Amino acid sequence: QKEVEQNSGPLSVPEGAIASLNCTYSDRGSQSFFWYRQYSGKSPELIMSIYSNGDKEDGRFTAQLNKASQYVSLLIRDSQPSDSATYLCAGNSGNTPLVFGKGTRLSVIA
Amino acid sequence: GAVVSQHPSWVICKSGTSVKIECRSLDFQATTMFWYRQFPKQSLMLMATSNEGSKATYEQGVEKDKFLINHASLTLSTLTVTSAHPEDSSFYICSAIGGVAQPQHFGDGTRLSIL
Repeated sequence: QKEVEQNSGPLSVPEGAIASLNCTYSDRGSQSFFWYRQYSGKSPELIMSIYSNGDKEDGRFTAQLNKASQYVSLLIRDSQPSDSATYLCAGNSGNTPLVFGKGTRLSVIA
Repeated sequence: GAVVSQHPSWVICKSGTSVKIECRSLDFQATTMFWYRQFPKQSLMLMATSNEGSKATYEQGVEKDKFLINHASLTLSTLTVTSAHPEDSSFYICSAIGGVAQPQHFGDGTRLSIL
């Protein structure tokens, strides 16, 4: 059974702080990893994709992948109240359906 | 960026009605499309995977005769909820992928309410 595990939260951080979201996965064959943001009542929106070990930065977001540890993380710098949402970690290999974690709810307190 | 359009956004209808939801990839050819269902405060549940020109692959527990999926072209997939009942009320979301190792891009979802 392929699984992606996330802490459900809520993770509360003050405005301006760094939010750190973590994810582990069970399938060593997974090659592609994605972070999605989902606001309440809306569909998921892609934030970051990462395919190789190391860090990938895009604006205030940094994704980190460690395939040896089967670990993916997302850092959000200078967190804003508008970042409050559920963050979904997902992985797959090839064209297979994404395996999603249950999501971590982030709350940024003004 | 890749855009997936889903229509309609909201549907309210009587029990026993069949409802069709369309999912279109607007600026790329979708080799594969996926249909999800999400109940309030719960995680996404994959219902089925569809590839253009072939039968959809349904996840365990999803009734293929109730949730009819047609993937007629590389840019269009439809989900028909046949003889819908109140327990089918949910948020239905499609996603599409343009190729191997590409991210899935989601439509805006369809909120279905069966009275």
